[in-house]
Amino acid sequence: DVKVTQSSRYLVKRTGEKVFLECVQDMDHENMFWYRQDPGLGLRLIYFSYDVKMKEKGDIPEGYSVSREKKERFSLILESASTNQTSMYLCASSSRGWNSPLHFGNGTRLTVT
Amino acid sequence: AQSVAQPEDQVNVAEGNPLTVKCTYSVSGNPYLFWYVQYPNRGLQFLLKYITGDNLVKGSYGFEAEFNKSQTSFHLKKPSALVSDSALYFCAVRDPTSGTYKYIFGTGTRLKVLA
Repeated sequence: DVKVTQSSRYLVKRTGEKVFLECVQDMDHENMFWYRQDPGLGLRLIYFSYDVKMKEKGDIPEGYSVSREKKERFSLILESASTNQTSMYLCASSSRGWNSPLHFGNGTRLTVT
Repeated sequence: AQSVAQPEDQVNVAEGNPLTVKCTYSVSGNPYLFWYVQYPNRGLQFLLKYITGDNLVKGSYGFEAEFNKSQTSFHLKKPSALVSDSALYFCAVRDPTSGTYKYIFGTGTRLKVLA
């Protein structure tokens, strides 16, 4: 079974802090994704990566950056956290095929105060 | 532009009754369609997918989905609902002709199965 592990289940950070969310997958998947989930808005794509050191902006990249130095690890960085970034963050991975489903981690609930 | 609509925020059904969670999509090419389920405080779990071929797709936990190209729909169904099916359900689409790797998600439908 594919395992996608997010380093923290809950995080509380202060406004202006730099925040790192880490995600690791163990199935050698090429693609990795970061989504945020907010009530009534569903899942919105922040960034995705289709290979090591390769990244593309999703629908809401403002205020975020990402890093993929190793195939199994995809990090989401909030350069200067703001209260409107309080949300559930979901990491996912998939293999390269178009019909490949996403495999999700359990999520990180981030609160910015 | 690609889009997915789940027209119902919540669906209530009695245990033992059949359930349907609706999904419609809009893409320019032939879509790949997916259903996911999310239990409280968890990530999404893959249920089933449609690629091509048979319009009725069977998946995990007794769920199935019916693809209808003319109505651009991919409704999730189960013949007999269980209380444990209560969760948040998401439909997603991927369009290989779009030129993007993105999966586009609907806003989710909360299913409540009443004992």
